[in-house]
Amino acid sequence: EVQLVQSGAEMKKPGETLKISCKGSGYDFTDSWIGWVRQMPGKGLEWMGTIYPGDSDARYAPSFQGQVIISVDKSITTAYLQWSSLKASDTAIYYCARHFPYGDLRAWGQGTLVTVSS
Amino acid sequence: ILMTQSPATLSVSPGERATLSCRANQSVGSDLAWYQQKPGQAPRLLISGASTRASGIPARFSGSGSGTEFTLTISSLQSEDFAVYYCHQYYKWPMYSFGQGTKLDIK
Repeated sequence: EVQLVQSGAEMKKPGETLKISCKGSGYDFTDSWIGWVRQMPGKGLEWMGTIYPGDSDARYAPSFQGQVIISVDKSITTAYLQWSSLKASDTAIYYCARHFPYGDLRAWGQGTLVTVSS
Repeated sequence: ILMTQSPATLSVSPGERATLSCRANQSVGSDLAWYQQKPGQAPRLLISGASTRASGIPARFSGSGSGTEFTLTISSLQSEDFAVYYCHQYYKWPMYSFGQGTKLDIK
């Protein structure tokens, strides 16, 4: 069974750093991409970007370029989303999802709630 | 690619049919998926390729359309179908985009 398991909820202060994770199992981790999706409180889904675990090729949506870093460690089948300086506006649920290029998001992680507040 | 869903909220009685719309501002061919999201849960893939049900999705869910106009139809609403539905274009990879969602409410 394909599974994506994300790290737990985080509560941070503005300016702090954060790295959340998404661990894949039940499939060949390098046969597809891992994308990240943001959902701000009470809002819809926003595409952030994606990474290919095979060679760490990362692609970003324009709104998120320079705001976050997407990385991966294929040896432990885990993708990451990180911030160097959090803002209150980063408060959201972040989902990872498995996909093929030009493909749907067929498997999702359970989501990680990130709360940024002073 | 800008995806626009309508209506924002749809109130339907159980057992009735629900029709949700999604429009793209340029052609996405058939590279369109629909997802269902219930409160506190991750989205779940319902339909891909505009009209192909994902594994385990009941036959009461159907998708249609191509190009710029798409429809998700739920033929006879069950209580568990009341949720938020999103369309998603994957034509322009890796610049995916979602519609803003339609909330399906119990009437």
